[in-house]
Amino acid sequence: DVQVVESGGGLVQPGGSLRLSCAASGFTCSNYAMTWVRQAPGKRLEWVSTISGSADTAYYADSVKGRFTIYRDSSKNTLFAEMSSLRAEDTAVYYCAKSLTPNNLDLHFDLWGQGTLVTVSS
Amino acid sequence: EIVLTQSPGTLSLSPGERATLSCRASQNVRIYLAWYQQKPGQAPRLLIYDASNRAAGVPARFSGSGSGTDFTLTISSLEPEDSAVYYCQQRLTWPPLTFGGGTKVEIK
Repeated sequence: DVQVVESGGGLVQPGGSLRLSCAASGFTCSNYAMTWVRQAPGKRLEWVSTISGSADTAYYADSVKGRFTIYRDSSKNTLFAEMSSLRAEDTAVYYCAKSLTPNNLDLHFDLWGQGTLVTVSS
Repeated sequence: EIVLTQSPGTLSLSPGERATLSCRASQNVRIYLAWYQQKPGQAPRLLIYDASNRAAGVPARFSGSGSGTDFTLTISSLEPEDSAVYYCQQRLTWPPLTFGGGTKVEIK
């Protein structure tokens, strides 16, 4: 089965850190641009970060730049998001999403995980 | 940043009726617009990409049209399982990649 499964969410205090994982199966995630999208409760989808399929170039939303790092471990076929200096406004369900076509940055997403909830609260 | 504005906010229709959802972009996005369906507690599902291409496995009652700044998602004959929030998303100009605010479709 082609799927991605996120993990690593939880409750963290403001200023804390968390690492999210997205384990891919049924495809080679290094061949695709992979993206984190988040959704705060009752809000619209918000793009967070993308890593390109080939050169592993990373892109970030201004709201997370300098605090989040996206990277990939090809040997584990897994995408990560290292999040630090977390704020209350980072509270959301975080989804991992795969791009429709390989080897480019055409960012429409045909495969999403079930999401992992990050709650930033004291 | 390209802002996507969806209308109406909520659409309440009966099974078998036609649903027309709108997405307007603040700048020309050519054809690079997708539509997603999201049901409560679930991840989004890709329905339409590049304005008018149905994704794999998507029923033929879903169709997309438009280019430039005005786009439409049409559900030709509503089924009860089509109750969901529908989002548009552009990929022409990023970062940031942007999504619309969503249209909630309710089945009476």
